[in-house]
Amino acid sequence: EDKVVQSPLSLVVHEGDTVTLNCSYEVTNFRSLLWYKQEKKAPTFLFMLTSSGIEKKSGRLSSILDKKELFSILNITATQTGDSAVYLCAVVEGNEKLTFGTGTRLTIIP
Amino acid sequence: DSGVTQTPKHLITATGQRVTLRCSPRSGDLSVYWYQQSLDQGLQFLIQYYNGEERAKGNILERFSAQQFPDLHSELNLSSLELGDSALYFCASSVDPAGLVMETQYFGPGTRLLVL
Repeated sequence: EDKVVQSPLSLVVHEGDTVTLNCSYEVTNFRSLLWYKQEKKAPTFLFMLTSSGIEKKSGRLSSILDKKELFSILNITATQTGDSAVYLCAVVEGNEKLTFGTGTRLTIIP
Repeated sequence: DSGVTQTPKHLITATGQRVTLRCSPRSGDLSVYWYQQSLDQGLQFLIQYYNGEERAKGNILERFSAQQFPDLHSELNLSSLELGDSALYFCASSVDPAGLVMETQYFGPGTRLLVL
């Protein structure tokens, strides 16, 4: 059975800290890995990763994929209270099946 | 505001009942996707329609069905409801069928279903 596992489940840090969120996967026909931020509403797209070792960066957020070890990390530096959210990882397979992890709940304390 | 609308916003019903959730995609978008988000299962892809036809199927139960109408709005029908069906149901839309990659999808605000 295909799996996408995110860790930690929950993370509480102080503003200014750096956090690393993890996503590991076991799927049959990997096509891409997606990161999303979900606050109170619908998920907001962050990154799409298809190639190993190439870092995607957007401001204080960055992500990288390791297709050999089957995981991805999402880094957030100099965290702010607005970064508080659930971060979702999803894997898209070649048959267009899309599997989500259960998410990491990040809380930033002022 | 993504331009995708969903009704109703909240729905409370009893076990065994049937409900219909409605989604209107963004103007010009031909694809509609349905997702279920529950506390224990996380966000799950249910089904995708493109221009009226089913295109991809995810973890959709047999008790659930969907359709997309000629005006491109979509309905998700949930029948024989169980307590475990309580969740937030999202609809998303995109322009083309290759937009299964969520980057190109626009999410509606969701319908919160509570089954008592």
